[in-house]
Amino acid sequence: GQNIDQPTEMTATEGAIVQINCTYQTSGFNGLFWYQQHAGEAPTFLSYNVLDGLEEKGRFSSFLSRSKGYSYLLLKELQMKDSASYLCAVRDNAGNNRKLIWGLGTSLAVNP
Amino acid sequence: EPEVTQTPSHQVTQMGQEVILRCVPISNHLYFYWYRQILGQKVEFLVSFYNNEISEKSEIFDDQFSVERPDGSNFTLKIRSTKLEDSAMYFCASSGGVPTEAFFGQGTRLTVV
Repeated sequence: GQNIDQPTEMTATEGAIVQINCTYQTSGFNGLFWYQQHAGEAPTFLSYNVLDGLEEKGRFSSFLSRSKGYSYLLLKELQMKDSASYLCAVRDNAGNNRKLIWGLGTSLAVNP
Repeated sequence: EPEVTQTPSHQVTQMGQEVILRCVPISNHLYFYWYRQILGQKVEFLVSFYNNEISEKSEIFDDQFSVERPDGSNFTLKIRSTKLEDSAMYFCASSGGVPTEAFFGQGTRLTVV
């Protein structure tokens, strides 16, 4: 079956670093995405990993280990506006079927 | 910056009525999707559309649902006879060949009463 697991909630302090983990079990794998979603808004793209290793993009980095079915999103120098839900999603097929399988999301609260 | 646009932003409809949710994907994108998110729950895939036909659909996308690309710019989701459990935020998304991430519209909040 298809399964993506993330912690439900996390809390961190402004200026700190937080790591949000994601583990997945899918029938195929063709990339892992992290999206940010503020309440009542659309998911917005943060990062994409298809090969093992770390992808860095400003304050946000994402890591992937395909052999372990594991990824994390690292947020540095946290700001209050980073309070949001962070969604891990896996694209499980190549070719024309590009649907994403989504985790439930991790709700991050950044406190002053 | 190009974006996916959806209309209306909020629709209230009576149970049993038909609704059409409209989307204008990013113009040079080739892949189009509908997702839904029931309040407090995860984003769920409904359907993907490529080359003017459905390429994949989920078990949620039953005979009550249909999609169309009536012209070169619009992409619509029709729910034939709405049920209370269809109440959700419906997101349209599109992606091109490169880059590969999907860009989401702001969503249509459908409330079935």
